Amino acid sequence: DAGITQSPRHKVTETGTPVTLRCHQTENHRYMYWYRQDPGHGLRLIHYSYGVKDTDKGEVSDGYSVSRSKTEDFLLTLESATSSQTSVYFCAISGQARNNEQFFGPGTRLTVL
Amino acid sequence: GDSVTQMEGPVTLSEEAFLTINCTYTATGYPSLFWYVQYPGEGLQLLLKATKADDKGSNKGFEATYRKETTSFHLEKGSVQVSDSAVYFCALSSRGSTLGRLYFGRGTQLTVWP
Repeated sequence: DAGITQSPRHKVTETGTPVTLRCHQTENHRYMYWYRQDPGHGLRLIHYSYGVKDTDKGEVSDGYSVSRSKTEDFLLTLESATSSQTSVYFCAISGQARNNEQFFGPGTRLTVL
Repeated sequence: GDSVTQMEGPVTLSEEAFLTINCTYTATGYPSLFWYVQYPGEGLQLLLKATKADDKGSNKGFEATYRKETTSFHLEKGSVQVSDSAVYFCALSSRGSTLGRLYFGRGTQLTVWP
């Protein structure tokens, strides 16, 4: 199994509070991704990274920011959480940009009250 | 834009039944195609993949063939087991896509009864 962990695994927070989710990998993979999973939508890309300090937006990036100061860590921040951000968040990693599988973390279930 | 459409669920089958989950795609150029599986409470795992037309991906008794002429990548298994109960996602990675992002279908829930 790819060495990828996410923390916390579960979190309940209140509207308006900041939240940071962490993805940590031990595979030294260059590419990292944050997805959210919601019923009826599959997985949707929030942000991705193609190297240290190199990040870009995905299709549902509003309300989220990311940072990658080290190869192994990719942080997702909700600056001011809203109820619409209640979801399951998955981090994924990949060693190549194209035609290559992505390895997924176990997910973080976030509830915003 | 690139997208994946897969069969709506849920799908309920008896053990040893034949499984088909339909997946069609829209993409510029010739994408790579994937099936991922998600067991309850877990992340997604790659089940199989195909990177060019007419390729057949296979794993754990599951198969899917990359059909360019019908833009399809249907998942099949000849005899399902209770342990196959999970959510299955079809996905594509477009060769023209920036940095290998995956486009996912909405997922199909499969339940297999003994």
